[in-house]
Amino acid sequence: QKEVEQDPGPLSVPEGAIVSLNCTYSNSAFQYFMWYRQYSRKGPELLMYTYSSGNKEDGRFTAQVDKSSKYISLFIRDSQPSDSATYLCAMRAAAGNKLTFGGGTRVLVKP
Amino acid sequence: DAGVTQSPTHLIKTRGQQVTLRCSPKSGHDTVSWYQQALGQGPQFIFQYYEEEERQRGNFPDRFSGHQFPNYSSELNVNALLLGDSALYLCASSRGDSHNQPQHFGDGTRLSIL
Repeated sequence: QKEVEQDPGPLSVPEGAIVSLNCTYSNSAFQYFMWYRQYSRKGPELLMYTYSSGNKEDGRFTAQVDKSSKYISLFIRDSQPSDSATYLCAMRAAAGNKLTFGGGTRVLVKP
Repeated sequence: DAGVTQSPTHLIKTRGQQVTLRCSPKSGHDTVSWYQQALGQGPQFIFQYYEEEERQRGNFPDRFSGHQFPNYSSELNVNALLLGDSALYLCASSRGDSHNQPQHFGDGTRLSIL
């Protein structure tokens, strides 16, 4: 079993809809949680970075962390065709710099 | 403000050969990590360099080695290439050897092994 599980999709939504993404993890040592966006043939781009349980909002993006359930989510409001990409969750323990990634969810926003 | 830059963009090698990939970190960053991303999968951590030393290593064989220079740039070397080494190799940089700083990625080097 992988340490971080993420549905590979693809997730297809109409423009303007809310995109809901999530990851589950098994390692209780993970303390820092990130969401990255990756376009084809590009590197991952950091979207959200959180530490504690709860919500964090940045523009159209909201990240949620529930450490008790080992579950994190990313919501994208008012989705645009330019949001079509692969979304990767990543997490890290308190010690060390190693990021552990989910496999990524491919999202397609249709005009 | 220059981000993380990697070279070359693409590389084609044959089995058994050796390859060197290069990374320049984002301005102000002094820590470099390398990741391997196979097609359709998430990146896998190879190792991290800080103060010119390997500080942490993932589950990769000794064929994978690295180096960090005084200007914080880094190289990834892979010896005795295998077909399974075909992947996107990503470099990420961050500030300080501190776990509360996010990592920023370059666009990677796509390595194909024939």
